Amino acid sequence: SQQGEEDPQALSIQEGENATMNCSYKTSINNLQWYRQNSGRGLVHLILIRSNEREKHSGRLRVTLDTSKKSSSLLITASRAADTASYFCATGANNNDMRFGAGTRLTVKP
Amino acid sequence: DTGVSQNPRHKITKRGQNVTFRCDPISEHNRLYWYRQTLGQGPEFLTYFQNEAQLEKSRLLSDRFSAERPKGSFSTLEIQRTEQGDSAMYLCASSPPGQGHSYEQYFGPGTRLTVT
Repeated sequence: SQQGEEDPQALSIQEGENATMNCSYKTSINNLQWYRQNSGRGLVHLILIRSNEREKHSGRLRVTLDTSKKSSSLLITASRAADTASYFCATGANNNDMRFGAGTRLTVKP
Repeated sequence: DTGVSQNPRHKITKRGQNVTFRCDPISEHNRLYWYRQTLGQGPEFLTYFQNEAQLEKSRLLSDRFSAERPKGSFSTLEIQRTEQGDSAMYLCASSPPGQGHSYEQYFGPGTRLTVT
């Protein structure tokens, strides 16, 4: 069963705008990761945030984690057409599997 | 290093046939995972290997599914007596030895299975 739930399911923005995606989960986690999947391609790891961290940056990406609310957000600043993809959050717990959400489909219009 | 590779990339089979997929992880990675992804959904965990030991299996992995990693390198996923509901993308991922469970996974391109 999937743990993370992304919101919104789909997002369409203009190039240059910021995109914010949210992820909620249900059980305790050790870490939360965000992945990107382009149409017809494999998943690519974007960023990992541990349960004792609140915010992390990587280039144009900013991830926050609120363990009290069991939620995370991914912000992409100054979006580009190449950012068009599906974005998934995945939670890691004490076992060895990761639980993915259904994803947010982001479309960046040039 | 060419990343995680999977073969075949596409497989079309008739219901009731057996199929086998192969995954070659990144060479120094001792952890290997199989996932299944259907259209519009995120990947669903199937099973996990650390070296040659299969340490986790999802309840999604019915008795028709079996996975092996005999020498701790490549892995195979076999589906016996395929059903139309098995049609999906089967993804393999690997990750390096690490501390605890805070690690990223490197995914292959997947094998798309169509059962007719």
